[in-house]
Parts: sequence; C-alpha cells; structure tokens
Amino acid sequence: SQQGEEDPQALSIQEGENATMNCSYKTSINNLQWYRQNSGRGLVHLILIRSNEREKHSGRLRVTLDTSKKSSSLLITASRAADTASYFCATDAGRASGSRLTFGEGTQLTVNP
Amino acid sequence: DVKVTQSSRYLVKRTGEKVFLECVQDMDHENMFWYRQDPGLGLRLIYFSYDVKMKEKGDIPEGYSVSREKKERFSLILESASTNQTSMYLCASRGHPGGYTFGSGTRLTVV
Repeated sequence: SQQGEEDPQALSIQEGENATMNCSYKTSINNLQWYRQNSGRGLVHLILIRSNEREKHSGRLRVTLDTSKKSSSLLITASRAADTASYFCATDAGRASGSRLTFGEGTQLTVNP
Repeated sequence: DVKVTQSSRYLVKRTGEKVFLECVQDMDHENMFWYRQDPGLGLRLIYFSYDVKMKEKGDIPEGYSVSREKKERFSLILESASTNQTSMYLCASRGHPGGYTFGSGTRLTVV
C-alpha cells in the first residue's frame, strides 16, 4: 500500500498564486521529504522535515508536519510558471524500513503564466 | 555539484534481451536504489544496496537483478526483457540522514 498519498492529484493555478499540496501517510516516520520532478526527468530533493519538527521553510517553500494526523503539507508561495512540475512526498520510517523512502503518487502542479 | 549519472536517457530493446542499466554516483554514498516509475503507480522500489556486494529486494524485484561491485556503481539487470518492463527507471543514492539524489532517469522501451 502507498505510504505517502498526495492530495490533490492535480492542481492548476495562475502565476503569483500560492499552491498547497497535502500528503498523508500511515505509519510512524523518522522524517518526511518533498521532491519535485520536471517532466521526463529525475526527482530533485526539496526539503526534509524531521518527526520532531512542525514547520520548515526554504525560500518560497513552507512545509508543515502533523504527526498526530500523519499528514504534511507543502506550500509554494508566489508561484511561477517554472514551478510547473510533479511534487512527491516521501516518508522515511528509519531503521524499521532499512532507511528506504516510500513515495506517494505525486501532485501535478501547473502554473499558468 | 554532486551527481548521480545514469548511462542512457533512452533505450529500446527487444523482448528476451538481457538489459543492463548503469548508475554511477560521485558522493561516496553507501546507499543506492533502483526505482521504476509508471503512470498511476508512482515510484516502486526494485532493489537497493547498503554497501558493496550487498543487495536487498524492494517491492517488485521479480524479473530483475542487481550488481554492486564498486561503491560508486549500482547496475540493474533485466535478465530477459519483457514488454511489461517498459518504464522509466530511476537510480538514486543517499547519504545519511539526508534525502536522495536521483539520476535523470532511463526511459526503457521493450518491443
């Protein structure tokens, strides 16, 4: 079963708007990570949030983590056309999973100029 | 800049062929991974490796094998390619406790 499940599956917004993507997971985690994938390319690591953190910022990215609800959100502020990509959350259950990551199916974000 | 390099961006192979997908990383990472990515199914882990000559099965190892003779290189082998192995293959490496660094992917078509 999918550990990380993103919501929505697809999101279309106008340039300058904020984009929010959500991720839910089922088991205890050591950390949660977000990745971005441009069409036909590999994934790029964006940000990692540990299980004892509630919020983290990196540039225009803001990630929150609620371990009681087993959910995370990724907010991209002031979006740009270049932010168009698929975004994936990935969970790390630590030693219990052999430090492997489990990925969700992703949210396809389209930012219209 | 740290890198994970996959030897081919696009490959077309015939059914029954033995296929080698190569992945090299320059970060001295111990952990390396092979995923396949298919529409509607997300990324699925095929095999991973913690160290040289060590390998672990992922979620979908059937029809695949791997080789890790040197720390920097992790090869995925399709013993006898089939059409249902047409997919995007992604290699990644990881240092602890950070995120993965992915290669650019190999889009394999088996005809």
